[in-house]
Amino acid sequence: GIQVEQSPPDLILQEGANSTLRCNFSDSVNNLQWFHQNPWGQLINLFYIPSGTKQNGRLSATTVATERYSLLYISSSQTTDSGVYFCAVGDSGGYQKVTFGTGTKLQVIP
Amino acid sequence: NAGVTQTPKFQVLKTGQSMTLQCAQDMNHEYMSWYRQDPGMGLRLIHYSVGAGITDQGEVPNGYNVSRSTTEDFPLRLLSAAPSQTSVYFCASSDPPGPQHFGDGTRLSIL
Repeated sequence: GIQVEQSPPDLILQEGANSTLRCNFSDSVNNLQWFHQNPWGQLINLFYIPSGTKQNGRLSATTVATERYSLLYISSSQTTDSGVYFCAVGDSGGYQKVTFGTGTKLQVIP
Repeated sequence: NAGVTQTPKFQVLKTGQSMTLQCAQDMNHEYMSWYRQDPGMGLRLIHYSVGAGITDQGEVPNGYNVSRSTTEDFPLRLLSAAPSQTSVYFCASSDPPGPQHFGDGTRLSIL
């Protein structure tokens, strides 16, 4: 099956700093999502972005499907951004079979 | 809108017991899925459904059964609980092409 690798695995930021999270995948995909899992365990969908660039406030994401990677940008980080960020992809064999990466654990310190 | 509702939130079982984890969504989504999340890992797909009456296996289906008799509900059944099934279980729904929406999870411990 498709392999999804996320980097870095852990990240500590000072409040106000910017960061870039990366997601590499091993095969063609027909959908890609970024999620934030907060410290209470809830999974929040940040972006549905199979290709192109999207922005939502301080967050933006870019997917370059032909080169098999996606980037999540966090600007002016806040302590509420802490948690784990997951990339999840659906391979070309079926939209519904979604594979998650192992995540980037982000801690934003005041 | 309640979104995706999972019950119970917590459950402790003894090895060999059976139980059903409930999942309901009120967004009229066609697609629903069950995942498990083990410590320090991402989510792994157990079973999924692309509509009422249609289900299929994901990456880790052994020991679990599902059915989808209505669009709204997608229960997950553990037939004979084993300690290896201790995990956090998440249910998700979506209307492709589009984002998945997750419930808050069920924390299951099997002794």
